[in-house]
Amino acid sequence: AQSVTQLGSHVSVSEGALVLLRCNYSSSVPPYLFWYVQYPNQGLQLLLKYTTGATLVKGINGFEAEFKKSETSFHLTKPSAHMSDAAEYFCAVGQTSGTYKYIFGTGTRLKVLA
Amino acid sequence: DAGVIQSPRHEVTEMGQEVTLRCKPISGHNSLFWYRQTMMRGLELLIYFNNNVPIDDSGMPEDRFSAKMPNASFSTLKIQPSEPRDSAVYFCASSLVLGGYTFGSGTRLTVV
Repeated sequence: AQSVTQLGSHVSVSEGALVLLRCNYSSSVPPYLFWYVQYPNQGLQLLLKYTTGATLVKGINGFEAEFKKSETSFHLTKPSAHMSDAAEYFCAVGQTSGTYKYIFGTGTRLKVLA
Repeated sequence: DAGVIQSPRHEVTEMGQEVTLRCKPISGHNSLFWYRQTMMRGLELLIYFNNNVPIDDSGMPEDRFSAKMPNASFSTLKIQPSEPRDSAVYFCASSLVLGGYTFGSGTRLTVV
């Protein structure tokens, strides 16, 4: 069975500061990992994904995430927060065979302070 | 590409009425998912289809909920009869095999 845990339901950072959103997963097979962003009154939008290959993945809007198998983590980072980054962020895990169903975390709401 | 298209964007209905939510996936995507999002329970997978066939409906809350995918370009989620606790935002998403999901903008359902 797969699961995903997002540490911190709310995170606040100052504009210009580092953004770090934490995601840990559990999977018995090699995972596919995703980060999605949801702005108010909108659907979820894919930020980045890890399938195979390079463990450091770059996404849209300056975000990146690193797959660390030994730590079962896929944390999302951005060097410098912008006011427009304020949104809810979801981590998701899928497996590389069988079902195409992904498991989503409970989300982390990012607040950016001026 | 216009993305995943859901209709209506907002629906307000009275308890006991039938509600039908519609979804047009991205052309060429072979998997389709229906999710429900609420403050209390977050994002819940209701059902998903692969090549128009329902694969997993274990998330459908009860028999009042049903979903169909008659062809590769259309899916419906029906609630009959609707209840106030069904109030939520319902999302449709589509994907290629092992690809990331593309979500629609959602339907905000309010049952009064």
